Amino acid sequence: ETGVTQSPTHLIKTRGQQVTLRCSSQSGHNTVSWYQQALGQGPQFIFQYYREEENGRGNFPPRFSGLQFPNYSSELNVNALELDDSALYLCATRPGTEAREQYFGPGTRLTVT
Amino acid sequence: RKEVEQDPGPFNVPEGATVAFNCTYSNSASQSFFWYRQDCRKEPKLLMSVYSSGNEDGRFTAQLNRASQYISLLIRDSKLSDSATYLCVVNIKGKSTFGDGTTLTVKP
Repeated sequence: ETGVTQSPTHLIKTRGQQVTLRCSSQSGHNTVSWYQQALGQGPQFIFQYYREEENGRGNFPPRFSGLQFPNYSSELNVNALELDDSALYLCATRPGTEAREQYFGPGTRLTVT
Repeated sequence: RKEVEQDPGPFNVPEGATVAFNCTYSNSASQSFFWYRQDCRKEPKLLMSVYSSGNEDGRFTAQLNRASQYISLLIRDSKLSDSATYLCVVNIKGKSTFGDGTTLTVKP
């Protein structure tokens, strides 16, 4: 096991609602990245946080936002949910932005109806 | 065109077969390269890094050709447990770009 945990494991929301997903970092890992993985596709980079600051963002709209806390745990918030937001959301942590290997959590499966 | 493209698959092979996966990337500034394995409904896990000199880990061999912007993964003597989706990953300045993966099914 990687030591990275995510909650909840599954979630069902209605279009237009807001959702918060959580990620607990592996000890000593100050960098966390969030990914969206739709069915049949690879993970798509949403954004990365390093020491509580966002330091990289993929092609996702502003309604996708995040936070990183002093203990390096992290949240992904999605506002105004759309049907296409249904996906597996993965967080991955590493001990620094230049570290080669990242460790994934088990993911949160979000269904938007 | 996607930044990272992989063979669409699926690959269905018998146990003991040798199978090769290919991946191309579009950004010549890419810095590091990886193969990840993802089992059904699970998170991706690092299989191996890929180096220009080529590297081997047991039955798995990875190759990188920077000039052609091409990455490969070779699996020898396939096992049933190798059945999974294999994801090609390219890093630039800490940002990881994943391919859509190639699904391998190894059959008895």
